[in-house]
Amino acid sequence: GDSVTQTEGLVTLTKGLPVMLNCTYQTTYSPFLFWYVQHLNEAPKLLLKSSTDNKRTEHQGFYATLHKSSSSFHLQKSSVQLSDSALYFCALSDGPNYNVLYFGSGTKLTVEP
Amino acid sequence: EAAVTQSPRNKVAVTGGKVTLSCNQTNNHNNMYWYRQDTGHGLRLIHYSYGAGSTEKGDIPDGYKASRPSQENFSLILELATPSQTSVYFCASGDPGQGMAEQFFGPGTRLTVL
Repeated sequence: GDSVTQTEGLVTLTKGLPVMLNCTYQTTYSPFLFWYVQHLNEAPKLLLKSSTDNKRTEHQGFYATLHKSSSSFHLQKSSVQLSDSALYFCALSDGPNYNVLYFGSGTKLTVEP
Repeated sequence: EAAVTQSPRNKVAVTGGKVTLSCNQTNNHNNMYWYRQDTGHGLRLIHYSYGAGSTEKGDIPDGYKASRPSQENFSLILELATPSQTSVYFCASGDPGQGMAEQFFGPGTRLTVL
């Protein structure tokens, strides 16, 4: 069945460094991938999304590229800020009706001064 | 901006009691969802709905019922609450469209079952 794997549960970085959060997925349908961000005591919000192979999508300084050949949709940022500390979820829209999102277990990013 | 509200925001219940969590959306979205969030498990889908009168089981429906009396409202019901149902519950709404539709989440309900 459809599934999403996020390998890092916790990532801690110093402000200004680059970050990559891993996301791989499994599906037999055409993939639609999402990254959601959840700040402390807030609701998850969409950060970015893509269904186009090998095309970089960007939002708020974060970017990701869907690679169908490797079933990956890693989230990156070139220079993290303190305000980027949050929980990040990768999600896959299920096929063939795309009514449901499958979420990964999440990666908690902590940015230190 | 999408608007999904949940009530109550915090709830303490006793084991064996009945708990109803309510969700309202003003987005006119067809689909609504209930998730629970636990550390290490991310967001897990409990029930969802395609529209008024419909409810569908998600990945972890056991111990939960859902009700969608109208386009705007979607309730999650715990008939006999257990301590294992202590969690944070999120409601969301969305229209899947062609697969790229965003889900809009409510602020969450923190449920503690003693």
